[in-house]
Amino acid sequence: AQSVTQLDSHVSVSEGTPVLLRCNYSSSYSPSLFWYVQHPNKGLQLLLKYTSAATLVKGINGFEAEFKKSETSFHLTKPSAHMSDAAEYFCVVTWYSSASKIIFGSGTRLSIRP
Amino acid sequence: DGGITQSPKYLFRKEGQNVTLSCEQNLNHDAMYWYRQDPGQGLRLIYYSQIVNDFQKGDIAEGYSVSREKKESFPLTVTSAQKNPTAFYLCASSIRGRDSTDTQYFGPGTRLTVL
Repeated sequence: AQSVTQLDSHVSVSEGTPVLLRCNYSSSYSPSLFWYVQHPNKGLQLLLKYTSAATLVKGINGFEAEFKKSETSFHLTKPSAHMSDAAEYFCVVTWYSSASKIIFGSGTRLSIRP
Repeated sequence: DGGITQSPKYLFRKEGQNVTLSCEQNLNHDAMYWYRQDPGQGLRLIYYSQIVNDFQKGDIAEGYSVSREKKESFPLTVTSAQKNPTAFYLCASSIRGRDSTDTQYFGPGTRLTVL
């Protein structure tokens, strides 16, 4: 069965320190993986995506994620947090051919301390 | 500007009333989707459409209806049969890339409150 798990519902870091948001997936197929960000009362914005090319994916706003097949993980990182990074982050897994085969993680709320 | 628009941003409804949420895209995407988001939760798929005049139920279609008469438009009707309609509704569209991946792009959302 296919699934995605975001290991932390809430992460709090100080401004200027690294960010790590964890995501694990389970898929019988070759997955595509995404990270989206959602600010309050807004839609979701695509941060980055992994298909089948480079395992280290760079996204917008200084975020990047590494696909590790052996660990079935796709963790999101940023070297230095900014106050504007405070938002909800969703890890998403899809697999080829059917729109109904899209699974969203439950989300991780990122808080930034001044 | 290309993008996805949803209207209205906020919507209030009395119990027993049907209400229609609008979603329009000018990205020339074939597929469109409706999701529901409840506080502190991820997104749940209500309906999706891969081509005009065709749509399929998602995981929580009961109490909702859709139409896809035009490529650009995918309105969602929340009927009185939906027992708990208060939620944030998100519309998305997607296009299949050269890598055969469907990447979804989201509208700004409509917050529906039942009074």
